[in-house]
Amino acid sequence: DAGVIQSPRHEVTEMGQEVTLRCKPISGHDYLFWYRQTMMRGLELLIYFNNNVPIDDSGMPEDRFSAKMPNASFSTLKIQPSEPRDSAVYFCASSTRGLAGRGELFFGEGSRLTVL
Amino acid sequence: AQTVTQSQPEMSVQEAETVTLSCTYDTSESDYYLFWYKQPPSRQMILVIRQEAYKQQNATENRFSVNFQKAAKSFSLKISDSQLGDAAMYFCACTGNQFYFGTGTSLTVIP
Repeated sequence: DAGVIQSPRHEVTEMGQEVTLRCKPISGHDYLFWYRQTMMRGLELLIYFNNNVPIDDSGMPEDRFSAKMPNASFSTLKIQPSEPRDSAVYFCASSTRGLAGRGELFFGEGSRLTVL
Repeated sequence: AQTVTQSQPEMSVQEAETVTLSCTYDTSESDYYLFWYKQPPSRQMILVIRQEAYKQQNATENRFSVNFQKAAKSFSLKISDSQLGDAAMYFCACTGNQFYFGTGTSLTVIP
């Protein structure tokens, strides 16, 4: 399997612009997670899906952030409008057994976002 | 709420020596799993080792082993015969209703 695939790997944009990050989970995995990593806050869970349904979005910082999973093989994380404090590495991860579970999280390579 | 604490922001070890990274956690779950993840400069997160809380035996994966002290809620990672490729950030994680990650320990391997 190709693993979790994220795009773009790097994104530089200006404040106020819309940013869309994309993720393709590992085939057969029924859980998908979006994390944000910064030096200040470490790894933060933003949202996770089970069978394409959002289960917990309490980590989404504010209304500027939204995430969708229209099918089992694709998810997006959108920031509109973007702000400099959104600069971070955004990871997508997938798993076969969810949070309480036993399965390991398989991470993508991350998308490094810089908002000027 | 669950928390994972890594009290060592940075560690260093001589090549071929042994190093131990510390992790403590707090959970109200009775059934949970513990993980160590490695993040090299490429930033890819890679699973190093997994421990089931219901198992008393410490997990081992080649040069990597854990010291799991359930009563003390401690889960340290020992790296034996350290290699240059072990240099990375190491994150401890605990499952509950989600994966909880520590803040990481940056490991430097000195040739």
